[in-house]
Amino acid sequence: DQQVKQNSPSLSVQEGRISILNCDYTNSMFDYFLWYKKYPAEGPTFLISISSIKDKNEDGRFTVFLNKSAKHLSLHIVPSQPGDSAVYFCAASAANFGNEKLTFGTGTRLTIIP
Amino acid sequence: ETGVTQSPTHLIKTRGQQVTLRCSSQSGHNTVSWYQQALGQGPQFIFQYYREEENGRGNFPPRFSGLQFPNYSSELNVNALELDDSALYLCASSLQGARYGYTFGSGTRLTVV
Repeated sequence: DQQVKQNSPSLSVQEGRISILNCDYTNSMFDYFLWYKKYPAEGPTFLISISSIKDKNEDGRFTVFLNKSAKHLSLHIVPSQPGDSAVYFCAASAANFGNEKLTFGTGTRLTIIP
Repeated sequence: ETGVTQSPTHLIKTRGQQVTLRCSSQSGHNTVSWYQQALGQGPQFIFQYYREEENGRGNFPPRFSGLQFPNYSSELNVNALELDDSALYLCASSLQGARYGYTFGSGTRLTVV
C-alpha cells in the first residue's frame, strides 16, 4: 500500500522555466510533509517542508503548496537551474511522539535542459 | 560540524550470509533511523533508535536488527541474506522530536549474489 505517491517518474524542464513536482498521499494522519533532493551516490538532502496547518511555504526559489482536502502537495522551483537536476522525493510523517518515521514516495527525476 | 558517515560504501555478500553496516550520526543528534532503498523505489523505514533502544519499526522481518551505542553511532545487522536484500541502505540522524532536519548519509550499497 503506497501511502505517498509520486506519479511522474521523470520530468524535463527548460532552464529558467518553472518546475512543478507533484505528490499525493492517502493517509489523513500525515501532518508534516517534506521534500528531499538526491544526487547520484549521495544521500537525500532536505529541501523544504510544510506543516498541515499551512497551505504554502516558501524558501528562495522553492515553494511547497499543500491542499489537504485533495491530499496533494506540489513543489515549485522557479527559475529552474541546471544544478536542480536530481531525483526529488516527497515524504510525510504523522505526529507520534518518539518516532518520526518518514514515508517516502518513489521519486521524480527532474532534468533541467540548458 | 560533521555529517552522517556510513561504512562501507559498497559491499557484496552471498545469499545466506550475515552483514553489518555502520553509521556515525551527525554531531549533536541523538536519534538514528535506517532506511532501505531498493532500485527505483523511495526509501523504506526499517527502524529507529533513541537512547540505545529501538523506537519504532517498519515492515521488516526480525533478521533485520540494530544497535545504537552511547555515542549515538549505530549498526544495522541483517542475517540470512536474501537476494531481495540488495539495496541502498541509508542511515539518517536527527534530534528526537524534531519534525524535520533529518541528515542522511550517502548510504551503503549492498549487493547479495
